[in-house]
Amino acid sequence: RKEVEQDPGPFNVPEGATVAFNCTYSNSASQSFFWYRQDCRKEPKLLMSVYSSGNEDGRFTAQLNRASQYISLLIRDSKLSDSATYLCVVNDRAGGYQKVTFGIGTKLQVIP
Amino acid sequence: EPEVTQTPSHQVTQMGQEVILRCVPISNHLYFYWYRQILGQKVEFLVSFYNNEISEKSEIFDDQFSVERPDGSNFTLKIRSTKLEDSAMYFCASNRQAPLISSGANVLTFGAGSRLTVL
Repeated sequence: RKEVEQDPGPFNVPEGATVAFNCTYSNSASQSFFWYRQDCRKEPKLLMSVYSSGNEDGRFTAQLNRASQYISLLIRDSKLSDSATYLCVVNDRAGGYQKVTFGIGTKLQVIP
Repeated sequence: EPEVTQTPSHQVTQMGQEVILRCVPISNHLYFYWYRQILGQKVEFLVSFYNNEISEKSEIFDDQFSVERPDGSNFTLKIRSTKLEDSAMYFCASNRQAPLISSGANVLTFGAGSRLTVL
């Protein structure tokens, strides 16, 4: 099983649609979780951290399910500017240091 | 907003040549990382560095790779003898996080990347 697994997509959605991405992780002891956004040929940039109670930032909602070992990202009212690849990122401990593992990313294309 | 800076933005080199990629992490950050991303593939961890030594490295980070923090600001990745398969985008990242604490301080900030093309 891959350490961090995502559906690579692409997800093609019309403007204004709601879209959800899931990500599963293999290490039940993983400590912290993030969604990063990566535009084509650019660096990953933090979109939001994912907290156990779930959290919302404007049109974006992130949820964590530790029992099932998955995290999700919901985007409401999609904008053209949301088109990007969304990377699921998991932090683990590894010998006392943090180990950051990326999923392959889910590509979102918002269509006019 | 503080940022991680990387140079060069793009380097083209011949197979077998040595390459040094440079990074200036955010000034109050303590942990430094190199990642690479081959075109169309996922971001892969190479190495982490703390307190002037490697704290962890992946299987990708073999004897051809080395890292250094030669002064108080620069963090470099050296590839001794480049191979075609080393062609990728190399990202430097840093954070403040103490390793055993889970908090917002463990968010990674990435540089814009150095694109390496090996011919």
